[in-house]
Amino acid sequence: AQSVTQLDSQVPVFEEAPVELRCNYSSSVSVYLFWYVQYPNQGLQLLLKYLSGSTLVKGINGFEAEFNKSQTSFHLRKPSVHISDTAEYFCAVIRGGGYQKVTFGIGTKLQVIP
Amino acid sequence: EAQVTQNPRYLITVTGKKLTVTCSQNMNHEYMSWYRQDPGLGLRQIYYSMNVEVTDKGDVPEGYKVSRKEKRNFPLILESPSPNQTSLYFCASSSQLVPGGRTDTQYFGPGTRLTVL
Repeated sequence: AQSVTQLDSQVPVFEEAPVELRCNYSSSVSVYLFWYVQYPNQGLQLLLKYLSGSTLVKGINGFEAEFNKSQTSFHLRKPSVHISDTAEYFCAVIRGGGYQKVTFGIGTKLQVIP
Repeated sequence: EAQVTQNPRYLITVTGKKLTVTCSQNMNHEYMSWYRQDPGLGLRQIYYSMNVEVTDKGDVPEGYKVSRKEKRNFPLILESPSPNQTSLYFCASSSQLVPGGRTDTQYFGPGTRLTVL
């Protein structure tokens, strides 16, 4: 079975400051990892994904994440946040070979303070 | 315009009254999923479908049924809704085996807010 832990339920950060949203996963096999963003009253949008290859992946809106197999982590980072980044962020995992069976974390609410 | 539509967007019903939430996509995607979103629990997958007539359970399938008789539609059926099924439901579709895969386009519907009294 696979699981995802998002360690912070809420993260307040000042505008233009850097941010890191933490995600740890557990799986006994290889995984695919994803970060999604949900703006207020909207559906989810894919931010970035790790499937294989380079462990540093870049996504939309200036976000990036690093896959660390030894630490089983996939933390999301942005060097300088904007007010428009205020949203809820979800980490998700698919077990290798699990294809469409997706497990999400509980989400982290990013609050950007002007 | 590529999109996933869900109907209804809002529904208040009573315990035990059968209901169906429809999901339709116009992108000819093979893969579709249903999720529920609850505060403090994130999104949990209910069912997914790999193709017409091919469906499988996600993490929380109890109390739900699905069908995939045609490629574009993937309705979620609650035969006897209960208050613990009060939630925000999302349908999603994707073009590849791994959603969000290298060249995948993945779309989520706008959500259906269901209240069961």
